[in-house]
Amino acid sequence: QQKVQQSPESLSVPEGGMASLNCTSSDRNFQYFWWYRQHSGEGPKALMSIFSDGDKKEGRFTAHLNKASLHVSLHIRDSQPSDSALYFCAARAQTGFASALTFGSGTKVIVLP
Amino acid sequence: EAAVTQSPRSKVAVTGGKVTLSCHQTNNHDYMYWYRQDTGHGLRLIHYSYVADSTEKGDIPDGYKASRPSQENFSLILELASLSQTAVYFCASSDRGRDTQYFGPGTRLLVL
Repeated sequence: QQKVQQSPESLSVPEGGMASLNCTSSDRNFQYFWWYRQHSGEGPKALMSIFSDGDKKEGRFTAHLNKASLHVSLHIRDSQPSDSALYFCAARAQTGFASALTFGSGTKVIVLP
Repeated sequence: EAAVTQSPRSKVAVTGGKVTLSCHQTNNHDYMYWYRQDTGHGLRLIHYSYVADSTEKGDIPDGYKASRPSQENFSLILELASLSQTAVYFCASSDRGRDTQYFGPGTRLLVL
């Protein structure tokens, strides 16, 4: 079983709509989360990190973390064609090798014009 | 923004041959990483390094070696390439161990 699970595997959203992505960890050591975005043919690029319970907003992107349930979500408001990409959730443990990230298998987002 | 470059961008190798993938960063970052990406598996850590002349094993190190000759350069070596090592390989760097990682553009490796 993967330690970081993402859902859905893919989703389509109309341009201007809201996309919601989910990520759940099965390892209680994971306390720090990132969302990465990967456009086709490119390397992943960090969108945002979230380390505390609650919401964190950066532009059209809002992440929400619930440490008790080890659930983190990403909401993309006013989706644009450029948001079409593969989105990864990544988690890091509080202890141990400080920078080891565990990635989920990704959610493919398609923004329909 | 952090700059990480990789070479080659794509490579075709024969089974049993030796493959070296190179990574260069110009950001004065201490930490560097090698990941492989396969459909359905996201990114998996192969090797990492936090100082020149030292490397550490990640989650899937079998069949791979790494070399960090300088702070800027980090190589991934497949001594005996196998079909199962066909994948896209990404190098990344971060300033400190707990910071955001910056990825290169990737190397697409096909082993025949």
